[in-house]
Amino acid sequence: DAKTTQPNSMESNEEEPVHLPCNHSTISGTDYIHWYRQLPSQGPEYVIHGLTSNVNNRMASLAIAEDRKSSTLILHRATLRDAAVYYCILSSPLVFGKGTRLSVIA
Amino acid sequence: SAVISQKPSRDICQRGTSLTIQCQVDSQVTMMFWYRQQPGQSLTLIATANQGSEATYESGFVIDKFPISRPNLTFSTLTVSNMSPEDSSIYLCSVEDLRGPSYEQYFGPGTRLTVT
Repeated sequence: DAKTTQPNSMESNEEEPVHLPCNHSTISGTDYIHWYRQLPSQGPEYVIHGLTSNVNNRMASLAIAEDRKSSTLILHRATLRDAAVYYCILSSPLVFGKGTRLSVIA
Repeated sequence: SAVISQKPSRDICQRGTSLTIQCQVDSQVTMMFWYRQQPGQSLTLIATANQGSEATYESGFVIDKFPISRPNLTFSTLTVSNMSPEDSSIYLCSVEDLRGPSYEQYFGPGTRLTVT
């Protein structure tokens, strides 16, 4: 499976945008880029996914580099409820790495 | 979206015993998976539950320790056999419906297992 690299943790102020990076230099041409998050004491939940083009949904935006070797999950206005571990995953079924623990400061 | 329920939600078991965890989905799905999340860790995929045939196990997991059944498209069970304290984890069922337009995987609420 292609591997992803994410920072262990990040911090954001409430109501500010958050950019969560992910490197996946060994991505194959058919790998989708999936983002999931796990809120405290809950199972993971889907955030967004994409293949080549940037994607937007009600929760977030996904910016994919032109060479597809990296991507960035963008939360446009972080809220306290966005504090979670965010996972960038290429495989299906999902194989979870350590993810990025996002802290949001009021 | 798929709604997943798991039973039991939590249990405390003695070492050497076995526990069977049930996963029920509110709609038919093509793929069902079992994950484990040890305390403070990320999720680890245990196996893919295949309807009508043996589950496909990931490296480090074996059928004798984690037997899995999937009799139909909405139900699966995971048994944790001959438990030891190292099996204390949250066990999560997950589903994906490849027939739909989404590549989304849905997760159940998990079963918190403590082995004493």
